[in-house]
Amino acid sequence: KQEVTQIPAALSVPEGENLVLNCSFTDSAIYNLQWFRQDPGKGLTSLLLIQSSQREQTSGRLNASLDKSSGRSTLYIAASQPGDSATYLCAVEVWDTGNQFYFGTGTSLTVIP
Amino acid sequence: KAGVTQTPRYLIKTRGQQVTLSCSPISGHRSVSWYQQTPGQGLQFLFEYFSETQRNKGNFPGRFSGRQFSNSRSEMNVSTLELGDSALYLCASSGKTGAMDSEQYFGPGTRLTVT
Repeated sequence: KQEVTQIPAALSVPEGENLVLNCSFTDSAIYNLQWFRQDPGKGLTSLLLIQSSQREQTSGRLNASLDKSSGRSTLYIAASQPGDSATYLCAVEVWDTGNQFYFGTGTSLTVIP
Repeated sequence: KAGVTQTPRYLIKTRGQQVTLSCSPISGHRSVSWYQQTPGQGLQFLFEYFSETQRNKGNFPGRFSGRQFSNSRSEMNVSTLELGDSALYLCASSGKTGAMDSEQYFGPGTRLTVT
């Protein structure tokens, strides 16, 4: 069974810092990896999708990389802002008889003004 | 384009009752997945529907069931509610046509509290 781990579980940084969130998964046979953010009590907002054939994706201040062979992905946030404070989740998609996503437990990020 | 909508947003039920949650996917999306989110277990996959057929199911008891209608709207039902069913239930839709590599879009969730 696919297991997804995110480190660290919580992170607190001053505004303006660059930071890296880590995601690791146990089975490299994935189809894609997606990063989300979740604000307290809310649904998930998609940040970046990296397809299995890709190595990285960028959107604004966010950059996500994927190394399937080592079972790792990183989310890089440049010049962090207080509005970036949220929980960040990574999810890997596998195919069984249908599509299924396995989620990590998330990294809770606080950006201090 | 309207996003994924879920109703109701909040529910309070008593142990032993049953509940039905509804999800309307993004227009044109045919895949709908359901997840349960709790502080202790995180996000766990319940099931996925595509074109009215359940294609995949997570490791949940038979009290959890679902269905999808011809317009891709989906409902999830939980019978004989237990205290441990208290959670945020999230629905996600995707435009995948049966293959992979397609982004999932989540609704705001239904917060279920069982007393």
